[in-house]
Amino acid sequence: EPEVTQTPSHQVTQMGQEVILRCVPISNHLYFYWYRQILGQKVEFLVSFYNNEISEKSEIFDDQFSVERPDGSNFTLKIRSTKLEDSAMYFCASSELAGVGFFGPGTRLTVL
Amino acid sequence: AQSVTQLGSHVSVSEGALVLLRCNYSSSVPPYLFWYVQYPNQGLQLLLKYTTGATLVKGINGFEAEFKKSETSFHLTKPSAHMSDAAEYFCAVSDKNDYKLSFGAGTTVTVRA
Repeated sequence: EPEVTQTPSHQVTQMGQEVILRCVPISNHLYFYWYRQILGQKVEFLVSFYNNEISEKSEIFDDQFSVERPDGSNFTLKIRSTKLEDSAMYFCASSELAGVGFFGPGTRLTVL
Repeated sequence: AQSVTQLGSHVSVSEGALVLLRCNYSSSVPPYLFWYVQYPNQGLQLLLKYTTGATLVKGINGFEAEFKKSETSFHLTKPSAHMSDAAEYFCAVSDKNDYKLSFGAGTTVTVRA
């Protein structure tokens, strides 16, 4: 069964460093998303991506964040200068239809 | 804009007892509704979804949910809890015009032997 994959599973970084989280969505899906879940809190939408551009972003997704689909298979989330409050589980999701998101296993980002 | 309220952050049930997790939504357009399960240290797994058609939806692991438009609810049930059902459950909503999901705060289920 096709699935969304994410790498790495755990990323530890120093405050101020850049990180890139990687995702491989399900191959025939057209919509791609990043969500995050700060420990003990609800899952929050960050950004959606369709047709090689951002279709919607939340207020969390400020200038420190960017997304890219560099090669038609990978979908990346870059955080340019990490802050302590960026520590969270980051989930990639993809969908073919509205809202039916298939989620990856997540990347746990720890900012020290 | 849509939002979801999950009543009860923690639910404890005995093995074999009914599991009932409550979800109410608000949406200005017909909603698409979802339940996801998250096991410890794992990602989000889709349990079931309602988009159109039959309002009683059956999902994996014996779970089902019923869309009640008049009550703006999408409660999740399982007739007989199993120890393996211990997890966190999230209700989510979107609509056909908005592909992103809005999640509830989650309900943690513990199952007593």
